[in-house]
Amino acid sequence: AQRVTQPEKLLSVFKGAPVELKCNYSYSGSPELFWYVQYSRQRLQLLLRHISRESIKGFTADLNKGETSFHLKKPFAQEEDSAMYYCALSPRDDKIIFGKGTRLHILP
Amino acid sequence: DAGVTQSPTHLIKTRGQQVTLRCSPKSGHDTVSWYQQALGQGPQFIFQYYEEEERQRGNFPDRFSGHQFPNYSSELNVNALLLGDSALYLCASSLYAAAGNTIYFGEGSWLTVV
Repeated sequence: AQRVTQPEKLLSVFKGAPVELKCNYSYSGSPELFWYVQYSRQRLQLLLRHISRESIKGFTADLNKGETSFHLKKPFAQEEDSAMYYCALSPRDDKIIFGKGTRLHILP
Repeated sequence: DAGVTQSPTHLIKTRGQQVTLRCSPKSGHDTVSWYQQALGQGPQFIFQYYEEEERQRGNFPDRFSGHQFPNYSSELNVNALLLGDSALYLCASSLYAAAGNTIYFGEGSWLTVV
């Protein structure tokens, strides 16, 4: 079965502290993995994808095929990082399977 | 470029009624997908349209149907509305089977069924 699991519904982190949002996936094959972000009152937007290996807004994510994980990390949290984060996979680029999301709350 | 636009932004319907939601894709995109996002959940794939045909479908009943027009815009229709259909409906556009494709989402249509 194709599934994305985000175990934390809410994650509160102090400003300046490291952030790690967990994501595990289930898929028989080699899907493409993504992180999407939704800031307050804004539309869902792509944060990063594993094939590009980019660092966006200081966030990185490493695909671990052995553990089927794609955790999102940032060394120093900023207040503007507060948002809803969705891990997602795509068997092909044109269909996306989302996790239930983790709300990241950065404490001042 | 206005990106993906959806209408209406909010609407309220009664159980048993029918609803039509509309989507205009980002300029240059030819593929439209629809997602349902219930409160507290991630978006769930409903179906995808390309070349005016339904190409893929998620686990949704036949009450959910769609259409794509020659200008690539799309409609989502839901018949015999149930309370459980209350959700944010997202439209996403992309370029079909393009390498390194980026999918863009609209702001969504909030549907409340009472």
